[in-house]
Amino acid sequence: QKEVEQNSGPLSVPEGAIASLNCTYSDRVSQSFFWYRQYSGKSPELIMSIYSNGDKEDGRFTAQLNKASQYVSLLIRDSQPSDSATYLCAILSGGYQKVTFGTGTKLQVIP
Amino acid sequence: EAGVAQSPRYKIIEKRQSVAFWCNPISGHATLYWYQQILGQGPKLLIQFQNNGVVDDSQLPKDRFSAERLKGVDSTLKIQPAKLEDSAVYLCASSRTGTGGRWNTEAFFGQGTRLTVV
Repeated sequence: QKEVEQNSGPLSVPEGAIASLNCTYSDRVSQSFFWYRQYSGKSPELIMSIYSNGDKEDGRFTAQLNKASQYVSLLIRDSQPSDSATYLCAILSGGYQKVTFGTGTKLQVIP
Repeated sequence: EAGVAQSPRYKIIEKRQSVAFWCNPISGHATLYWYQQILGQGPKLLIQFQNNGVVDDSQLPKDRFSAERLKGVDSTLKIQPAKLEDSAVYLCASSRTGTGGRWNTEAFFGQGTRLTVV
């Protein structure tokens, strides 16, 4: 079982819709959870971090964490074509803060 | 605040040659990571430093890859000899060290070095 799993996509949504990205992880003692956005040919850019169960909102982005079910999700409201990118889920765990990434979900927002 | 600096941005070498990448992390960041990202995949951790000590190198192909972080600041990653399958983007990232048992630190990435082995 992979440590961090994501559906590779592509996930296609129309402009203005809600995009829902999901991630599951295997290490129950994972401590921190991150969503990175990566445009083609660019390096990952941190967009959200979440540490406790529940929802965390930042503008059009909402991260949701459920530690009991070992999943973390990212909702993007009012999706824009500029949101088209690969979204990477990352988990921080262990005493030495190891950060492990999923393979990423490619999002396409159709104008 | 300056970000993570990497060089070179691009490198093309022939197989069996050697290559080195350099990374300067964000000032004050104790943790430094080297990731390998093959096209279409997520970043794979190669090695992680805490100050100048290695805390995880379980996925580093040690027969050909080496890395060091002298003085706990800059780091270099070397490949010798390179293989075709080493073609990838090599990403350096850094993060602060958590305190009080709360590891709420985020990793910030440099622009990466795109290596092509021909």
